[in-house]
Amino acid sequence: DQQVKQNSPSLSVQEGRISILNCDYTNSMFDYFLWYKKYPAEGPTFLISISSIKDKNEDGRFTVFLNKSAKHLSLHIVPSQPGDSAVYFCAASAYTTGANNLFFGTGTRLTVIP
Amino acid sequence: KAGVTQTPRYLIKTRGQQVTLSCSPISGHRSVSWYQQTPGQGLQFLFEYFSETQRNKGNFPGRFSGRQFSNSRSEMNVSTLELGDSALYLCASSLGAGINTGELFFGEGSRLTVL
Repeated sequence: DQQVKQNSPSLSVQEGRISILNCDYTNSMFDYFLWYKKYPAEGPTFLISISSIKDKNEDGRFTVFLNKSAKHLSLHIVPSQPGDSAVYFCAASAYTTGANNLFFGTGTRLTVIP
Repeated sequence: KAGVTQTPRYLIKTRGQQVTLSCSPISGHRSVSWYQQTPGQGLQFLFEYFSETQRNKGNFPGRFSGRQFSNSRSEMNVSTLELGDSALYLCASSLGAGINTGELFFGEGSRLTVL
C-alpha cells in the first residue's frame, strides 16, 4: 500500500524553464513532508521540507507547495539547470509513527536539457 | 565532516545465506535508520535505532534485524536470504534528539544481490 505516490516516473524540461514535480499522499496523519534528490551511485540528499502548518516553503530556486485538502504537494525548480538532473523523491512522516520513519514515493527522474 | 559510511558497497549471496551490513553515522548523530530500495517499491523503512535501542520498526519480517553500538555505529542482518531481498540497502543518520524533522543524511548504500 503506497501511501506516498509520485505518478510521473520521468520529466524532461529545457534549461531555464520551470520544473514541477508532483506528489500525492493518502495518510492524513502525515505532518511533515520532504523532498530528496538522488544522483546515480549516491545516497539521497535532503533538498527541502515543509511542515503541515504551512502551505509554502522557499529555498533559493526551490519551492515546495502543500495542499492539505487535496493531499498534494509539489516541488518547483526555477530556473532549472542541467545539474538538477536527478531522481527526486518526496517523503512524508507522521509524529505518531516517528519522524525518521519516512514514507517515500517511487521517485521522478528529472532531465534538464541544456 | 565525514559523511555516513556503509560497508560493504556491493555483495553477492545465495539463497538461504545470511548477510550483515554495517553503517557508521556522521559524528555526533545518535539516530541510525535503515531503508530498502527496490525498483518497484522505492525506499521502504526497515527500522531506526537511537542510543542502542530500536525506536521504530517498519513492516519487514523478522529475518531483518539490526543493532546499534555505543559509538552509534549500526549493523543490520538479514537471515535466510531470499531472491526478493536483492536491493540497495541505505543507512541514514540524524541527530535524533530534540526537534526531529526527518531530515536524514544518507550513505551511498550497500547493494545486495541474492542468487
